[in-house]
Amino acid sequence: AQKITQTQPGMFVQEKEAVTLDCTYDTSDPSYGLFWYKQPSSGEMIFLIYQGSYDQQNATEGRYSLNFQKARKSANLVISASQLGDSAMYFCAMRPPLGAGGTSYGKLTFGQGTILTVHP
Amino acid sequence: EAQVTQNPRYLITVTGKKLTVTCSQNMNHEYMSWYRQDPGLGLRQIYYSMNVEVTDKGDVPEGYKVSRKEKRNFPLILESPSPNQTSLYFCASSPLAKNIQYFGAGTRLSVL
Repeated sequence: AQKITQTQPGMFVQEKEAVTLDCTYDTSDPSYGLFWYKQPSSGEMIFLIYQGSYDQQNATEGRYSLNFQKARKSANLVISASQLGDSAMYFCAMRPPLGAGGTSYGKLTFGQGTILTVHP
Repeated sequence: EAQVTQNPRYLITVTGKKLTVTCSQNMNHEYMSWYRQDPGLGLRQIYYSMNVEVTDKGDVPEGYKVSRKEKRNFPLILESPSPNQTSLYFCASSPLAKNIQYFGAGTRLSVL
């Protein structure tokens, strides 16, 4: 079974500062995929970034980067140069790898979420 | 425009009255999934489908049914809704070999 834990219910950051949102995971699968999603107050779910467990480099997408530490089973999201529009709920999620066998590839597990507030 | 469309966006109903929340995608995606979001619990997967006529249970399937008769549609059926199914529901789709899921706008359901 897969499990995602986000231990920070809420985080505050000053505009233009960097912030790290924590995500730890547990799985017995040798390979897996990790995701981060953003949910603004309007409610939609926005995909931010993906990291495969066998990817050699940490994923980056613009101001978002994923600090992937496989041995520690952590996949923290780093947002650089925070903007007011970054205020939102952030979810970490994981999924078995493509080719996991059967239909288990479709099973996606989310964490509880972290509310980020960016102060001007 | 590529999108996942859920209907209705808001629904208030009473216990026991069967309802269906529709989900449709126009991107020819094989994979579709339903989630519910509750405060403090994040999103939990209800059912998912890898392709037409292929569905599987997520983490919280009790009280829900789904069907996938066409590639574009993946309705969520509550045969006898109960108050504990009051929640925000999301439908999502993706191509099987891609790592991005596209979410619908959500359906806020209240069961009285």
